[in-house]
Amino acid sequence: GQQLNQSPQSMFIQEGEDVSMNCTSSSIFNTWLWYKQDPGEGPVLLIALYKAGELTSNGRLTAQFGTTRKDSFLNISASIPSDVGIYFCAGSNQAGTALIFGKGTTLSVSS
Amino acid sequence: NAGVTQTPKFRILKIGQSMTLQCAQDMNHNYMYWYRQDPGMGLKLIYYSVGAGITDKGEVPNGYNVSRSTTEDFPLRLELAAPSQTSVYFCASSYSSRALGGEQFFGPGTRLTVL
Repeated sequence: GQQLNQSPQSMFIQEGEDVSMNCTSSSIFNTWLWYKQDPGEGPVLLIALYKAGELTSNGRLTAQFGTTRKDSFLNISASIPSDVGIYFCAGSNQAGTALIFGKGTTLSVSS
Repeated sequence: NAGVTQTPKFRILKIGQSMTLQCAQDMNHNYMYWYRQDPGMGLKLIYYSVGAGITDKGEVPNGYNVSRSTTEDFPLRLELAAPSQTSVYFCASSYSSRALGGEQFFGPGTRLTVL
């Protein structure tokens, strides 16, 4: 089945640094979503992307839907301690019948 | 709005026992989903529903059953619990026409251990 490769698996950064993470696939996706999961909680939607090439911001977060429709990236600028958590990318398959999740990027921020 | 609620938050089962994980949403969403999350992994879709009375299998349905008698509720049933079902279970719902690939709202999860 379709799979998403998310990288890096984990990141350890200093407060104030910028962060970049990405997701790639060997097949085309129609939708890319980025979620954040805090410890002991369910994932919360950060950004949704619906068009190839689309660039969308949400505060300090910026995400892009790759032009090939096979990748997406998420940038976080000027990280703060509350950015700590697991970030998941997710994509909708072509049939629109399922949301496929990456394995997540665990972000740690030291102050 | 409470959003998506799940009960219980934690549960320990013995092998062979059965239980029902409850999920409810008050957003009038037609689409609801059950996922499991294993350590270091993303979420895997177990079952989903596009409306009351309609359910379908996801990627990992074996060992589970669902029903959808109302728009609000989507319970997940484990009939014969096995250690491989130890996981964190998330219920989600969505409203858009891009539903199955769209913006899903998640509950807080149920942490299940099978011993």
